Amino acid sequence: SQQGEEDPQALSIQEGENATMNCSYKTSINNLQWYRQNSGRGLVHLILIRSNEREKHSGRLRVTLDTSKKSSSLLITASRAADTASYFCATPPMGGSEKLVFGKGMKLTVNP
Amino acid sequence: NAGVMQNPRHLVRRRGQEARLRCSPMKGHSHVYWYRQLPEEGLKFMVYLQKENIIDESGMPKERFSAEFPKEGPSILRIQQVVRGDSAAYFCASSRTQGQGLYGYTFGSGTRLTVV
Repeated sequence: SQQGEEDPQALSIQEGENATMNCSYKTSINNLQWYRQNSGRGLVHLILIRSNEREKHSGRLRVTLDTSKKSSSLLITASRAADTASYFCATPPMGGSEKLVFGKGMKLTVNP
Repeated sequence: NAGVMQNPRHLVRRRGQEARLRCSPMKGHSHVYWYRQLPEEGLKFMVYLQKENIIDESGMPKERFSAEFPKEGPSILRIQQVVRGDSAAYFCASSRTQGQGLYGYTFGSGTRLTVV
C-alpha cells in the first residue's frame, strides 16, 4: 500500500529558484527519507529525518517533519540544472525496519 | 569500495522466457533487498534476503518469481515465463546489518527489464 504521497507530482522552475516538495504519509513512522533518481538511474539517498526531529539541513537541502500532520517537506535552495530528477519520500513502517514504502515521486525540472 | 552492482543494466526477453537479474552487494554486506519500479511509480519492496536465507518475501508475486542469495556469488532474482506486466526496473540494495531502514539504503543502478 502507498505510504508516502509527494506533492506536487511535477514542478518546473528556473535555475536559482527554490523548489519545495511535500510528502504526506499515513501511519506512524520511525523516520522519513528522501531519495533522488536521475532519469534511467538508481536511487540516491539524500537525507533522513527521525520522528523526534523537526528540521534537518544538508548543504542546499532542508527537510522538515510534522508528525502531527504526518507530513514532510524537502526544500532545495538555489536550484541547479543538475537537480533535475525525480524525488521520492520513503518510510520504514513502525516496527519493521527492513523495507521502505515509497511514494510515487515528484518530477523536478530545473531550467537553465 | 564499489557500490551495489547490478547486471545486466538492460534486459530484453520475449514473453514466456526466463529473466535472471543479478545483484552483487557492497563488500562486507550480507543483507540484500530487491525492489521493483513500474513506469511512473515509486519503488515497491519485493524481498529481503540474508546469505542463504529468505527473510521476508511479502512483496514477491506468488508465482513465477523467486530469489536467492547463495553463500558465494551474487543474489539472483529469477522471473520465469515473463509477461509484459513484468516490464519494470528492478533495484537492489544491500546492508551490513539488519535495520538499515533506520539509516537509509544504497541502491544499485538497476536492471531495466523489457518484455516483448
